[in-house]
Amino acid sequence: DQQVKQNSPSLSVQEGRISILNCDYTNSMFDYFLWYKKYPAEGPTFLISISSIKDKNEDGRFTVFLNKSAKHLSLHIVPSQPGDSAVYFCAASDDSWGKLQFGAGTQVVVTP
Amino acid sequence: NAGVMQNPRHLVRRRGQEARLRCSPMKGHSHVYWYRQLPEEGLKFMVYLQKENIIDESGMPKERFSAEFPKEGPSILRIQQVVRGDSAAYFCASHRDSNQPQHFGDGTRLSIL
Repeated sequence: DQQVKQNSPSLSVQEGRISILNCDYTNSMFDYFLWYKKYPAEGPTFLISISSIKDKNEDGRFTVFLNKSAKHLSLHIVPSQPGDSAVYFCAASDDSWGKLQFGAGTQVVVTP
Repeated sequence: NAGVMQNPRHLVRRRGQEARLRCSPMKGHSHVYWYRQLPEEGLKFMVYLQKENIIDESGMPKERFSAEFPKEGPSILRIQQVVRGDSAAYFCASHRDSNQPQHFGDGTRLSIL
């Protein structure tokens, strides 16, 4: 029962352009949403989060948008940089910041 | 300021042996989570522990798997009588309280021969 879905397994974007990563969820009880970034052979690194009472949160080049009615969130990276090439995981929790449910990840490749 | 430390980074076991994975949370963190990542998949929650207590083990297989977080020392994920399907990356995460994001270790890659 996959409650968090990332339907794009990969994304290729040119350096300097915007990267848009999408995530859909099915559980209306989720109240916190997070994005993690992961390099090979390393653990996930926390990027940015949003609670269900907000529809946007911004931190530097990263912005997360939440559309509760559509059960959809997205991560925008502007401008994309070569160091952004990694796998990005969407995660959600129905227990504050507790037990996380992860999507399958999106591999982002930023090309020069 | 050390992060979440997991060891070993790589562990090879033969079918039927036991695997013990260790996790030392960040200093001051008393909440520990274990996740498993199979190839080409996202991380799947296994268990949530606080010192000396298992809070939520709803993601743990019913047999062969156990976890502990003793008063002193690291959290241990123990897999008895390993099978090929146990091959995966096992990640530990910790946070100070439920108002903070979880910080992850670099994982233990378990391979079963």
